[in-house]
Amino acid sequence: GAGVSQSPRYKVAKRGRDVALRCDSISGHVTLYWYRQTLGQGSEVLTYSQSDAQRDKSGRPSGRFSAERPERSVSTLKIQRTEQGDSAVYLCASTSIGPSEKLFFGSGTQLSVL
Amino acid sequence: GENVEQHPSTLSVQEGDSAVIKCTYSDSASNYFPWYKQELGKRPQLIIDIRSNVGEKKDQRIAVTLNKTAKHFSLHITETQPEDSAVYFCAAPLYNFNKFYFGSGTKLNVKP
Repeated sequence: GAGVSQSPRYKVAKRGRDVALRCDSISGHVTLYWYRQTLGQGSEVLTYSQSDAQRDKSGRPSGRFSAERPERSVSTLKIQRTEQGDSAVYLCASTSIGPSEKLFFGSGTQLSVL
Repeated sequence: GENVEQHPSTLSVQEGDSAVIKCTYSDSASNYFPWYKQELGKRPQLIIDIRSNVGEKKDQRIAVTLNKTAKHFSLHITETQPEDSAVYFCAAPLYNFNKFYFGSGTKLNVKP
């Protein structure tokens, strides 16, 4: 594809509900990261996966955040039992090899938890 | 991320002046250091990057310097313009965990 795309662009969720955010990365990219971006705290790595990992739970805060990779160029970030503190912009980024290569970012999903 | 520290958190300069943002990292194995510019509501864009085999790289008004001994690298913007106003992030990889960590960002405001 032309770049990394994310959907939805905006998401409103009731506290306690689960949400799923989608990222379509660039074909051929191996490593995919999810970041959470909040005002004043910059960008925090939530989780990452490589093409052979269907599921990664290495993110933090641990347990509620997980990423699944149903296809090589698609990742879904799942947030369970959302909390108000989860309100943030969630960015995904992918790179062709690993952390020594350029990251290509999606435009983000702005999540608001009410 | 606690593995990359970025300073200052905000920076206000007059148009035409220079701006310098500094980042320090912890993993001595890191060998790639990018800088991203993020305008309000937009995705981060790579503006310049440097690999550990060089000490400085320049692209027009933007330059990055790297001090591997001290484990810090800096972004230099000369002749700043109002359109340089944005949040700038540095990043460094953490090889033990195969992760990319970002600095907390610097909000640059260039006053006309």
